[in-house]
Amino acid sequence: EAGVAQSPRYKIIEKRQSVAFWCNPISGHATLYWYQQILGQGPKLLIQFQNNGVVDDSQLPKDRFSAERLKGVDSTLKIQPAKLEDSAVYLCASSPYHTDTQYFGPGTRLTVL
Amino acid sequence: AQSVTQLDSQVPVFEEAPVELRCNYSSSVSVYLFWYVQYPNQGLQLLLKYLSGSTLVESINGFEAEFNKSQTSFHLRKPSVHISDTAEYFCAVSDGGSNYKLTFGKGTLLTVNP
Repeated sequence: EAGVAQSPRYKIIEKRQSVAFWCNPISGHATLYWYQQILGQGPKLLIQFQNNGVVDDSQLPKDRFSAERLKGVDSTLKIQPAKLEDSAVYLCASSPYHTDTQYFGPGTRLTVL
Repeated sequence: AQSVTQLDSQVPVFEEAPVELRCNYSSSVSVYLFWYVQYPNQGLQLLLKYLSGSTLVESINGFEAEFNKSQTSFHLRKPSVHISDTAEYFCAVSDGGSNYKLTFGKGTLLTVNP
């Protein structure tokens, strides 16, 4: 069984530029999560999808971050415009419907200069 | 609101020594508790979890954790560590609601030295 795929693995941009990350969850997993992991901290949930609907986006900075999961499969997280404090690893995770275990991808390391 | 405190940011130990990684949580409701491990340049992997039942849970690679409700703790232990156990370990809590939303601690870097 293929794991959660994320791309790109690394991205370096300048502040005020835009960037997008892509995630393909494990086949059949209804729930998809995006986390932000700043150096020295644990992952923080940004947004949770159930199929193509948003379940929780309470910690998503909506003035600059957006995410979509149009067909209930893969997902894109966008930052526009980026700030220095957005430098972090962005993790995608998925899980089958209504289960407790999340499966994580390798993450995308974003550096904002 | 839930929170997780991992009391040690770094724990260096020698190979074959015992180790304990500490985790305390706060929550106003019943919780599910998890330990995830992150090996260098890899994503997080579930190590073990407590949902209900026996308060002592074990992983396939020799780690165990005990849920202590009175002390709101879920410490991770291993009686004898290997070099390959070097990784960052994250404790996480979920309220078990329909969203299974996880709140993570800041992580503990376990370094096993020869």
